[in-house]
Amino acid sequence: GAGVSQSPSNKVTEKGKDVELRCDPISGHTALYWYRQRLGQGLEFLIYFQGNSAPDKSGLPSDRFSAERTGESVSTLTIQRTQQEDSAVYLCASSLSFMGAGELFFGEGSRLTVL
Amino acid sequence: SQQGEEDPQALSIQEGENATMNCSYKTSINNLQWYRQNSGRGLVHLILIRSNEREKHSGRLRVTLDTSKKSSSLLITASRAADTASYFCATVTISGGSYIPTFGRGTSLIVHP
Repeated sequence: GAGVSQSPSNKVTEKGKDVELRCDPISGHTALYWYRQRLGQGLEFLIYFQGNSAPDKSGLPSDRFSAERTGESVSTLTIQRTQQEDSAVYLCASSLSFMGAGELFFGEGSRLTVL
Repeated sequence: SQQGEEDPQALSIQEGENATMNCSYKTSINNLQWYRQNSGRGLVHLILIRSNEREKHSGRLRVTLDTSKKSSSLLITASRAADTASYFCATVTISGGSYIPTFGRGTSLIVHP
């Protein structure tokens, strides 16, 4: 597709379960970002992938959170042993490298509810 | 931590009026971007202004940047009901090869028809 695709769009899970969220970036975009947005709040940076460089994981809130990216394509954000405070919308964005246009293209987000 | 902070948090106006939102930040930046988010949707990029620019226009949008005051403003002229959304500023400081836009909490704009 032409845009950033995220799945699932909605996920309800029980506390303690693991969840995987998927992001398909725009083809050719070397940079990929994960952000978290709690209800009525701004975006909280989680992790940044740039090409084949080591990812910037400085925003991950705990070791229960991890993310992978295969080359310059799909990324998966995994949350282990989910807690109620993990409930949020998880937004993925992709971009040309910072030497490019600089703007981020966002997916529609994955809304996670932890019961 | 939040780099950019928007002001006001909420703004309610009538159709046809102008809407002005402000963004303040703390550290020097390479560029500043404004995004729009409709309820329940992802963010859409509106405009990017670089640190050596002072003003940019795009349609009914006008963005200014004052690096000495570490602030930016977004002006939407002749607002429409369809402009109702949340607006976020994002600051970018390129550091060690990382390019990570840092977002504020946003301004919620309601335009009454």
